[in-house]
Amino acid sequence: EVQLVESGGGLVQPGGSLRLSCAASGFSFDSYWMSWVRQAPGRGLEWVAQINQDGSVKYYVDSVKGRFTISRDNAKNSLFLQMNSLTAEDTAVYYCARDHIVGATNFDDWGQGTLVTVSS
Amino acid sequence: DIQMTQSPSSLSASVGDRVTITCRASQSISNYLNWYQQKPGKAPKLLIYTSSNLQGGVPSRFSGSGSGTDFTLTISCLQPEDFASYYCQQSHSTPLTFGGGTKVEIK
Repeated sequence: EVQLVESGGGLVQPGGSLRLSCAASGFSFDSYWMSWVRQAPGRGLEWVAQINQDGSVKYYVDSVKGRFTISRDNAKNSLFLQMNSLTAEDTAVYYCARDHIVGATNFDDWGQGTLVTVSS
Repeated sequence: DIQMTQSPSSLSASVGDRVTITCRASQSISNYLNWYQQKPGKAPKLLIYTSSNLQGGVPSRFSGSGSGTDFTLTISCLQPEDFASYYCQQSHSTPLTFGGGTKVEIK
């Protein structure tokens, strides 16, 4: 059974930093692209970042470029999102999502999400 | 960036109804369109990928169609467990973008 378990969310002050983690199990982690998707309270879904199987290719939504860094540790079946210079607009539930192997992206498995609240 | 526009943003329907949700892309995305269902407090669930392919385990009452800029998600016979929000998502190019969502409520 595929499992994705996020951790690392919490309350942080504006301008602060946070590192999210996603522990993956039940599948061959190093075969898949992975993504982070977020959802602000009461709002829709927003894709944040994507990383390929060996970590050599990364994509970001414009609003987080230069502030967020996606990374992975295939030896530990883990995905990370380092978030710096946080603002209130980054307040959201952050989901780790299993992406594709080859071909077109689709998010076929998701974690339960971790809440990030940016507030003073 | 490719903008995804869903309509309606919400709808009320009864069990047994046929429901159609549309999604329009701001430019052609071929068939690179996915559909997700999300229930309150839960993670989204993939229903349909590349426009018309049913994800494993998803009931056959769900179907998708379309190509280019116009896409449709149809629920042929609405069931109580289908009351949820639905999102389209384009996978043609980054940034990957979602539609604004459609909330299906009980009439």
